Amino acid sequence: GQNIDQPTEMTATEGAIVQINCTYQTSGFNGLFWYQQHAGEAPTFLSYNVLDGLEEKGRFSSFLSRSKGYSYLLLKELQMKDSASYLCAVGDSNYQLIWGAGTKLIIKP
Amino acid sequence: GAVVSQHPSWVICKSGTSVKIECRSLDFQATTMFWYRQFPKQSLMLMATSNEGSKATYEQGVEKDKFLINHASLTLSTLTVTSAHPEDSSFYICSARDGGGDYNEQFFGPGTRLTVL
Repeated sequence: GQNIDQPTEMTATEGAIVQINCTYQTSGFNGLFWYQQHAGEAPTFLSYNVLDGLEEKGRFSSFLSRSKGYSYLLLKELQMKDSASYLCAVGDSNYQLIWGAGTKLIIKP
Repeated sequence: GAVVSQHPSWVICKSGTSVKIECRSLDFQATTMFWYRQFPKQSLMLMATSNEGSKATYEQGVEKDKFLINHASLTLSTLTVTSAHPEDSSFYICSARDGGGDYNEQFFGPGTRLTVL
């Protein structure tokens, strides 16, 4: 079956760094996406990885290891506005997105 | 960037009525649109995949006669919740895939919050 695992909830301090992990088992692989979703709003795109390695985009970075079925999203210099749910999604062989349940990130002052 | 709109943003209706939600891609042609449902504190659940000019493909457990999807053009898809009941109250989100994009990214609409009384 298809499965994506990520922690349910994480807490971090403003200004710190947090890493949100995602492991996956899917039929086919056409890239891994990270989305941010604030409560009551639709998801917004953060990053896309299809090759192994680290992709850096400002305060956010995303890493992928296809052999391990593993990705992480790294958030630096955390701000209060980063409090949200972070969704990991994998494109399967039909280019449909298989979604993780999301990680709720709580930022404390 | 690619923009997807949804209308209405929120709707309250009586049990037994039908509700239509529109999803539009504003600056690109969306060959494929997706309809999701999200209950509070849960992740997105794909309901159906809609390709322009053809019938939608529904996920297991989603009643196609209850959730009618029409994708009549490359910029518009509609979801009609027929004979809505309180258990249909949810956040409905559409997304559209830009067939000409680099990596088939899905662009999300802002969502429609449906409350059935």
